Amino acid sequence: AQRVTQPEKLLSVFKGAPVELKCNYSYSGSPELFWYVQYSRQRLQLLLRHISRESIKGFTADLNKGETSFHLKKPFAQEEDSAMYYCALSSGSARQLTFGSGTQLTVLP
Amino acid sequence: NAGVTQTPKFQVLKTGQSMTLQCAQDMNHEYMSWYRQDPGMGLRLIHYSVGAGITDQGEVPNGYNVSRSTTEDFPLRLLSAAPSQTSVYFCASSYSGWGDTQYFGPGTRLTVL
Repeated sequence: AQRVTQPEKLLSVFKGAPVELKCNYSYSGSPELFWYVQYSRQRLQLLLRHISRESIKGFTADLNKGETSFHLKKPFAQEEDSAMYYCALSSGSARQLTFGSGTQLTVLP
Repeated sequence: NAGVTQTPKFQVLKTGQSMTLQCAQDMNHEYMSWYRQDPGMGLRLIHYSVGAGITDQGEVPNGYNVSRSTTEDFPLRLLSAAPSQTSVYFCASSYSGWGDTQYFGPGTRLTVL
């Protein structure tokens, strides 16, 4: 069975500080990994996906198959980054998208 | 485009009552799904559909029914509401499946007393 673990329920950093939201997964095949974000009073939306290898709003995430991780990073956090972040894994064999439990990020002024 | 719409936004039910949560999308997406969001548990898949007339169970299907008579609509039915079904429910759609971007609705907050 596939599983996604986000070990931090809550994470607070100061504005301008680096931030890293951890995501570990368990899956034996070749996964597709995503980060979704839910800002206050907004819909859940895709932030980035590993196959795109792009930077969105200054965030990047690298798939590390050896450590089975897909941590989300940003060098300088902004107050508008405060949101709930979900890591998600897709696999064709399981025929579903599995979400982690989420990390609530608060960027303090 | 309205995207994915859900009604109602809020609902309070008594134990044993039934109701239908509505979901519609206007993006001509084949894939639609229902999730429930509970504190500390993330989003869990209830049911999903890969096209009109085709539905399947997700991780937590018990107590819920779905149907997909049109591409646009994917209602979720609670047959006999229980307090354990108190949650926030999200509908999502995508063009080509689980590896594609999921577009979420605004959610329905359901309380079962």
